[in-house]
Amino acid sequence: EVQLVQSGAEVKKPGESLKISCKGSGYHFDTYWIGWVRQIPGRGPEWMGTIYPGDSDTRYSPSFKGQVTISADRSTATAHLQWTSLRASDTAMYYCARSDYYAAGIYYDYWGQGTLVTVSS
Amino acid sequence: QSVLTQPPSVSAAPGQKVTISCSGVSSKIGNDYVSWYQQFPGIAPKLLIYKSDQRPSGIPDRFSGSKSGTSATLDITGLQTGDEADYYCGTWDSSLSAYVLGPGTKVTVL
Repeated sequence: EVQLVQSGAEVKKPGESLKISCKGSGYHFDTYWIGWVRQIPGRGPEWMGTIYPGDSDTRYSPSFKGQVTISADRSTATAHLQWTSLRASDTAMYYCARSDYYAAGIYYDYWGQGTLVTVSS
Repeated sequence: QSVLTQPPSVSAAPGQKVTISCSGVSSKIGNDYVSWYQQFPGIAPKLLIYKSDQRPSGIPDRFSGSKSGTSATLDITGLQTGDEADYYCGTWDSSLSAYVLGPGTKVTVL
């Protein structure tokens, strides 16, 4: 069974750093793209970027480039989303999801359960 | 603000049909397939339709998708109370080099 299991909810202060994780199982982790999606409460999801764990090819949405870092560890079948300096506006639910593709034809067939990140002083 | 357009809400009685539209310019829907997701409050989105009209295994045939030009449509027939959720379309935007998702449509079963 394909599963993406994300790390637990986080409460942070502005300016702090954070790294959240997404562990894949039940499939060959190296050969699917893992994407990250932000969803602010009451709003639609926003695609942040994606990584291909097989060669660490990483692509970012222009809206998020420079704001976050996406990485993956093949040895543990885990993808990460990282911030160096959080802002209150980063408060949101973050989902990881799996895709066969990057670019044309992209769609996400399996999703993690989400990680709620709250940034507040 | 999304580059795709969806109606904020649609509604119908149980057993009836609803149609959700998703429109965008040529660099988006016009150039690529569309996917559709269903989301219940507090739960991750679930893939309903991929490549504009394909259903993953386990998705009932009450859900169907189509695309024409720069617009796509999700139809839900035989509406059930369990279909009350938010529905999002998504497609690749070649001008942004990004996957873009619509603002969502809330389906209400009257």
